[in-house]
Amino acid sequence: DTGVSQNPRHKITKRGQNVTFRCDPISEHNRLYWYRQTLGQGPEFLTYFQNEAQLEKSRLLSDRFSAERPKGSFSTLEIQRTEQGDSAMYLCASSRGTAVISNQPQHFGDGTRLSIL
Amino acid sequence: AQKITQTQPGMFVQEKEAVTLDCTYDTSDPSYGLFWYKQPSSGEMIFLIYQGSYDQQNATEGRYSLNFQKARKSANLVISASQLGDSAMYFCAMGNQAGTALIFGKGTTLSVSS
Repeated sequence: DTGVSQNPRHKITKRGQNVTFRCDPISEHNRLYWYRQTLGQGPEFLTYFQNEAQLEKSRLLSDRFSAERPKGSFSTLEIQRTEQGDSAMYLCASSRGTAVISNQPQHFGDGTRLSIL
Repeated sequence: AQKITQTQPGMFVQEKEAVTLDCTYDTSDPSYGLFWYKQPSSGEMIFLIYQGSYDQQNATEGRYSLNFQKARKSANLVISASQLGDSAMYFCAMGNQAGTALIFGKGTTLSVSS
């Protein structure tokens, strides 16, 4: 069973540049989530897809952030005009299930660590 | 609003001892799920155990068990016979009301010594 794969593992960029991260979920999982984790904190929810539909976005997801999941497979998270405060670990997770309250755990990738110079 | 509280920033235990990591939660939803994850220094989040609010018995998975006290709104993780490889950050999390995201606590760092 191949786990959730995220690329790249690390990204260093200058403030103001655009960056894009990719997440490949576990193949049979229809749900996909993006989280952001800063040092010493737990992950914070950014957005959620059920198949190809983006069903929920957090207030943390400013208009500089956009996420897509074409064809309900892999997903990309793009940050435009990066700022110092965007430095964090970006985690992707996937799960199966259709029930509103699902007992299916979310399986996480290794994350992409973003550093803004 | 839903909230997860982990009050222990760090815990220290010797190998083969048992340790309890505390977690309290707040929700007005009658149906909810509670999760524990482990995050080693390498960064990946590893799912450990799940407890549903209507489950009659406390969840167990190998050396992990969840001490679920619904009236006190607590869901403590118990690790029996600690191993050096258990040293990591541990997060308690709750499924949000829409079932679309996890709400995490701030985590507890567990250090296991020989």
